[in-house]
Formats: sequence, structure tokens, C-alpha cells
Amino acid sequence: TAGITQAPTSQILAAGRSMTLRCTQDMRHNAMYWYRQDLGLGLRLIHYSNTAGTTGKGEVPDGYSVSRANTDDFPLTLASAVPSQTSVYFCASSEEGNQPQHFGDGTRLSIL
Amino acid sequence: AQSVTQLGSHVSVSEGALVLLRCNYSSSVPPYLFWYVQYPNQGLQLLLKYTSAATLVKGINGFEAEFKKSETSFHLTKPSAHMSDAAEYFCAVRYSGGYNKLIFGAGTRLAVHP
Repeated sequence: TAGITQAPTSQILAAGRSMTLRCTQDMRHNAMYWYRQDLGLGLRLIHYSNTAGTTGKGEVPDGYSVSRANTDDFPLTLASAVPSQTSVYFCASSEEGNQPQHFGDGTRLSIL
Repeated sequence: AQSVTQLGSHVSVSEGALVLLRCNYSSSVPPYLFWYVQYPNQGLQLLLKYTSAATLVKGINGFEAEFKKSETSFHLTKPSAHMSDAAEYFCAVRYSGGYNKLIFGAGTRLAVHP
């Protein structure tokens, strides 16, 4: 079915290692987002991209970077993972304007 | 800055009972509001959205929400709970300073017991 694909579904990573979380959408949405979900905090925006070639910082960007080389892909990179980055990461996309965001199934990441 | 408050991190109801999940927002202008549902090990699915049209919004699975500007609220209701409604529910408000950026509440976990 059409939508957002995230990979991997889960990962255990040693502190200090780098990791790229992949996100691909097939809806041709211009806007894409990365969130982290932590118990009691809901979802917090890490980075976003309004269109291919542009990115912006969200609420909690430190320790993360993104790129948007094309419309479909929006990878999230942890350059040097720390235990506080243990979380569930969700990628989302939306059409322009006030349209709802569509979410992937998430990547569960544990940093040891 | 806009924020969203969901009152009650856990709500428990009996099957067939009324479901009421509370959401209050802070905004100087009427925002765009959304309710999402998350089932275990899944992403968020849109239940309904308010975009300044009718104040009573109907969504999927029998849920509805009413926008009340005077109370800055957007509570989610369902007349009769079903076991399959057990999930976590998130209220979200569109961030006024950016392009379609959402601010999420902390979530309310709904339990439905027989």
C-alpha cells in the first residue's frame, strides 16, 4: 500500500556510533518531518523539510542531521549516538497547506 | 508559543460507555487542530481535523470532536466505547510560525474493559 516506509524497524546501537534512519514516501508530498516519541512527552519535532533541497530545525534538533536530496527520501542521521537518543522515531509527510500528516510505523532505537 | 494540554494520561472506560478525551490549546488565534490515534507498534493515524469550518467535526470509527473557542478546547468523544478503541490518542495543533508544523500533546492512553 502507498505511504511511508521506515527502516530499520528497530536497532540497538552502541554509544558513539553513527546511524542513519531511512524514510521513503511514495505520495509525492512536498513536506516531510522527523519526530521522536518519548513516554509522557508525546511527539517532538526534530527536523523538517518543506520541499526537496530545503530543511529546517524543529523543537529538538541537537545531535541530529537530515538531508532532502529528492522528494521521496528524508534520512535522519545520528553522527555520534548518546543514550538520551534512545526513543521511537517517526517519519511523516504532508501535502502543502493545512493538510494532515501521514506517519510511518516508526523505528525503535536503543542506545547502549 | 502554541501548546497543547491533554488532561489525563490514562483513561479507563467500560465497553459501551461514553469516551471523553480532553484537549486544550493555547493560541492567540484559532488554530488548526487534529486528533490522531496510535495502536501498539504502529504510527499515528488521523482521526479527525478542525480547519475553521464546522465546529463539530466527525471522524473515523465513530469519534467526533467539538471546537470551543471560548474554552480553547477540542475534546474528543465517542458515544459508545468498543474494545478495539483501546489505543493512545494524541491531540495536535498546527504551529502558527511555520509550515504545517504540529505541536503534539503528551497523549492519553485509553483502556476499554468488558
